[in-house]
Amino acid sequence: RKEVEQDPGPFNVPEGATVAFNCTYSNSASQSFFWYRQDCRKEPKLLMSVYSSGNEDGRFTAQLNRASQYISLLIRDSKLSDSATYLCVVKTAAGNKLTFGGGTRVLVKP
Amino acid sequence: NAGVMQNPRHLVRRRGQEARLRCSPMKGHSHVYWYRQLPEEGLKFMVYLQKENIIDESGMPKERFSAEFPKEGPSILRIQQVVRGDSAAYFCASSSLGLAGGQRDNEQFFGPGTRLTVL
Repeated sequence: RKEVEQDPGPFNVPEGATVAFNCTYSNSASQSFFWYRQDCRKEPKLLMSVYSSGNEDGRFTAQLNRASQYISLLIRDSKLSDSATYLCVVKTAAGNKLTFGGGTRVLVKP
Repeated sequence: NAGVMQNPRHLVRRRGQEARLRCSPMKGHSHVYWYRQLPEEGLKFMVYLQKENIIDESGMPKERFSAEFPKEGPSILRIQQVVRGDSAAYFCASSSLGLAGGQRDNEQFFGPGTRLTVL
C-alpha cells in the first residue's frame, strides 16, 4: 500500500465550477500536511499547508481529518490557470523528508 | 532573489557513463533535499543533506548513487554507471531550517529539476 494515495483523475472541470478531491495517508505519525501544485514538466510549488482546523486561501480550502487519515482540497470558481496536477504531501515529525502522493490531475475547460 | 538553481537542466548520458547533477540552494538555506520523479510517477525522496553532512539517505539506491553538500559550492548528486532505469527528473529542494524549525521555516522550495535521459 502506498504511503500517500490520490485519485489520479483527470478531473474535468467547467470554468467557474467547484472541484474537490481527497488524499489518504497510511502513516499515523504524519504531522505536517501540504498541497503542492505541479505544472507539466515543472517543479512542484507549495500551494498551501493544511492545518488541523482546516484553512482557506482565496478560492482554495484544505481540510484535514486525522481520525480517518485523509486530507482534502476544494477549489471554488475554477480558473483555466488552475489546470495542473495537485500533489498531496505529508511529513512525519521524525524526519524532514516529504512523502508525495502520485498527484491528482485537474483540467479546467472553458 | 534567486531561487533554487539546478544544472544542467537536461542531461543525456549513454549507459555506463557517469551523471553529475548540481544544486545551489536558495540564499540563506543550508538544508538540501534530492527527489526523483520517474515518468508518470510521483516524487520520491532520495537524500537530505546539510553542509558537509548527510542527515537522511534512506531513499538512496544502495549502489551507484551518492550525494554530497560541501562547505563551499553546490550540492552534487552523482550517479555512476547509469542505466536506462535512471532516466527521470531529479529535483532538488532547500529549506532554511531543518528539524528544529517551525512549519514555515521548514518549507522546501524546489528547483526546476534536471531531466536525465539515459540512452
